[in-house]
Amino acid sequence: ELKVEQNPLFLSMQEGKNYTIYCNYSTTSDRLYWYRQDPGKSLESLFVLLSNGAVKQEGRLMASLDTKARLSTLHITAAVHDLSATYFCAVVVTHMEYGNKLVFGAGTILRVKS
Amino acid sequence: NAGVTQTPKFRVLKTGQSMTLLCAQDMNHEYMYWYRQDPGMGLRLIHYSVGEGTTAKGEVPDGYNVSRLKKQNFLLGLESAAPSQTSVYFCASSNGRSNNYGYTFGSGTRLTVV
Repeated sequence: ELKVEQNPLFLSMQEGKNYTIYCNYSTTSDRLYWYRQDPGKSLESLFVLLSNGAVKQEGRLMASLDTKARLSTLHITAAVHDLSATYFCAVVVTHMEYGNKLVFGAGTILRVKS
Repeated sequence: NAGVTQTPKFRVLKTGQSMTLLCAQDMNHEYMYWYRQDPGMGLRLIHYSVGEGTTAKGEVPDGYNVSRLKKQNFLLGLESAAPSQTSVYFCASSNGRSNNYGYTFGSGTRLTVV
């Protein structure tokens, strides 16, 4: 059974600093997503990573995927307060009979302090 | 373009009561999912469906039933609610058979069982 582990689970950052959130998963997958969730809101898709070595960037966030290590990272550059949210990675598992499903990590609560 | 619509948005139940959560999507997606979100545990898959008339169990199916009688609707039922089912429930849909599919999430249903 696929397990998805994120760390850290809580991250308090100073504005302007850099940091990385890690996402490890236990079995082979061909697709990994990063989502953002604001308090009381639904999930907002940030990135989908489809292949080994994939790197995607949007603003101060950059995501990468190493399928051999089963590791994805979400790097935050020069954090600003607006990035405060919970970030989830999620990995697709494909079952021959039941199709694909999305398995989530526990989430990383990010707080950016002035 | 409504996307994924969940009803109700909030509900308080007494232990032992039953209820049905409705998820409707207007994107002609094949796959639909029900997740529950609890603090520190990410989103956990309850049940999912790969097409009209088919359902499959996820990670935490006990105490829930589902039905997908129409392609656009996915119902989640609680036959006898328990306090442990207090959670936020999210529905999602996906066109899992395309090469570049994503997942669309509803806005969530906050359920409290007292």
